[in-house]
Amino acid sequence: DAGITQSPRYKITETGRQVTLMCHQTWSHSYMFWYRQDLGHGLRLIYYSAAADITDKGEVPDGYVVSRSKTENFPLTLESATRSQTSVYFCASSETDRGPYQPQHFGDGTRLSIL
Amino acid sequence: GENVEQHPSTLSVQEGDSAVIKCTYSDSASNYFPWYKQELGKGPQLIIDIRSNVGEKKDQRIAVTLNKTAKHFSLHITETQPEDSAVYFCAASLDTGRRALTFGSGTRLQVQP
Repeated sequence: DAGITQSPRYKITETGRQVTLMCHQTWSHSYMFWYRQDLGHGLRLIYYSAAADITDKGEVPDGYVVSRSKTENFPLTLESATRSQTSVYFCASSETDRGPYQPQHFGDGTRLSIL
Repeated sequence: GENVEQHPSTLSVQEGDSAVIKCTYSDSASNYFPWYKQELGKGPQLIIDIRSNVGEKKDQRIAVTLNKTAKHFSLHITETQPEDSAVYFCAASLDTGRRALTFGSGTRLQVQP
């Protein structure tokens, strides 16, 4: 039971570089989410996806791009990394076929440092 | 949009004591309130959740209460143990297609043995 996995777990890169964070889930959940976690802010939604090929912005989408060509994968790309994007990134997923109150299941995160 | 405030930011209790964490939310349309526990180096793990048509829910040593009128909800942990030490997050969600959670800023709970 692999659940939801994120890769890499740690990443150091430089400003201006493109970096992609990967998220893979084995449950066939329809919904997937990307959050960033910063001290004092809890977790903030970057992007979410209701199904393959359906994505939408969250609270803090600027500087990020997502895609969802397959249900199980939801990569997050920083097209030109900035220091303000140094953070811990969490991917999550949830079901849709059991009513509206669906818990989200989180991966263990990617710690991204931008120098 | 929704705003969730969480207090306290840190909480230290003696083993065996109770711990209470409180959250308030701004959008009266929010109807789902989960609580997550996050251990060091791990992602948040759901520990209990409550829906807006329920006032209280218990699961062993953990309970959550919801006051819709006042727009606040609380997590109660009884008989705390050292393994309860972690960061706890409350969250709120609307029943919309978006289904995203708005999180509080977290409470670091330390249980002293």
